[in-house]
Amino acid sequence: EDQVTQSPEALRLQEGESSSLNCSYTVSGLRGLFWYRQDPGKGPEFLFTLYSAGEEKEKERLKATLTKKESFLHITAPKPEDSATYLCAVYSGAGSYQLTFGKGTKLSVIP
Amino acid sequence: ETGVTQSPTHLIKTRGQQVTLRCSSQSGHNTVSWYQQALGQGPQFIFQYYREEENGRGNFPPRFSGLQFPNYSSELNVNALELDDSALYLCASSLESTETQYFGPGTRLLVL
Repeated sequence: EDQVTQSPEALRLQEGESSSLNCSYTVSGLRGLFWYRQDPGKGPEFLFTLYSAGEEKEKERLKATLTKKESFLHITAPKPEDSATYLCAVYSGAGSYQLTFGKGTKLSVIP
Repeated sequence: ETGVTQSPTHLIKTRGQQVTLRCSSQSGHNTVSWYQQALGQGPQFIFQYYREEENGRGNFPPRFSGLQFPNYSSELNVNALELDDSALYLCASSLESTETQYFGPGTRLLVL
């Protein structure tokens, strides 16, 4: 059974204070790892897909990296508008085409 | 390009009732997946429809059922509602069943 664990559960940063969110996963064969951003009461917004260890992707202040056991979402010089819950999900392709999500990291960026 | 839309946005039902939630997929997408998200949790996979056929199911009882129509829109039906069914129900569409999933805004269901 695929499993995803995200840490920390919550993170408070001062504006401009860079940090990283962690996503550890256990899957039978990783076909893709996804990062989403979710604002309160809204649906998840797609950020990145990573397919293989060593892969990196960037978008504005966000950079996602992938190893064989975990992924990191690095946030550089965050702004208050980066405050949201960040969700990590994996797709193993074993059986049904479902995403298995972690519980998320709630990020708060204080001005 | 129109994104994924869902209706209604909010719904209040009582225990034992039945509910139907609707989803219109993003233009050109032939696959729809449904997820249930309880407060403070990540989304949990309910099932996926690909070209009008169920293409995988999570650990949800048979009272959760669905349909996909020829235009690739979809419905989620839940019978005999229970209090624990209160959650945000998310629909996601993808170009093909194995491609990146894009989510709609969700339907907030409250069961009293």
